[in-house]
Amino acid sequence: ETGVTQTPRHLVMGMTNKKSLKCEQHLGHNAMYWYKQSAKKPLELMFVYSLEERVENNSVPSRFSPECPNSSHLFLHLHTLQPEDSALYLCASSQDHPIDRGVYNSPLHFGNGTRLTVT
Amino acid sequence: QKEVEQNSGPLSVPEGAIASLNCTYSDRVSQSFFWYRQYSGKSPELIMSIYSNGDKEDGRFTAQLNKASQYVSLLIRDSQPSDSATYLCAVNFYNQGGKLIFGQGTELSVKP
Repeated sequence: ETGVTQTPRHLVMGMTNKKSLKCEQHLGHNAMYWYKQSAKKPLELMFVYSLEERVENNSVPSRFSPECPNSSHLFLHLHTLQPEDSALYLCASSQDHPIDRGVYNSPLHFGNGTRLTVT
Repeated sequence: QKEVEQNSGPLSVPEGAIASLNCTYSDRVSQSFFWYRQYSGKSPELIMSIYSNGDKEDGRFTAQLNKASQYVSLLIRDSQPSDSATYLCAVNFYNQGGKLIFGQGTELSVKP
């Protein structure tokens, strides 16, 4: 496996369900991210982890809960979601995050995303 | 003003023409700029990065940066139907701790 892999690729869940999205990066990167992409809207940053510490949480509802057990794995735990949470959820990684080394030129490498539908 | 602004398009060009995609940003001290391509139903993939004023060329792609005007563009020469995608501009906002902020993307359609 190379790059950034996400599972599952598609997920349909009811509003009372609990599910988790998984992301794994094989690039040796130090930072990992969750983004939400809704139709006709810019990518929205949800969470950032750098060296396994959460460094950003952009006012995301508590029904989304991230977990970063190590620098290669990132999870997004979902519970009691709303239909408006239906979107493409993208995981990404980068070599470094500016907060750690003041490095501003590390591009993001994205996984293939999880298409989430909340019914 | 949006932090990173792009025309949503769609931008339609004939095959073989030059496609010009534009992006403006609000942070005067931003240092890093990226162009991503996203095919329908797929995830974004990095195609260009640029950090200094001027032009940077990579094959058929040229990124142009003008920090004084807070403007970055992407030119695609000899456009091919396979270039049809949404192009996302992303900027590291120095004054927000290096947060990478994306524009809404420009949809490009290259007609055979």
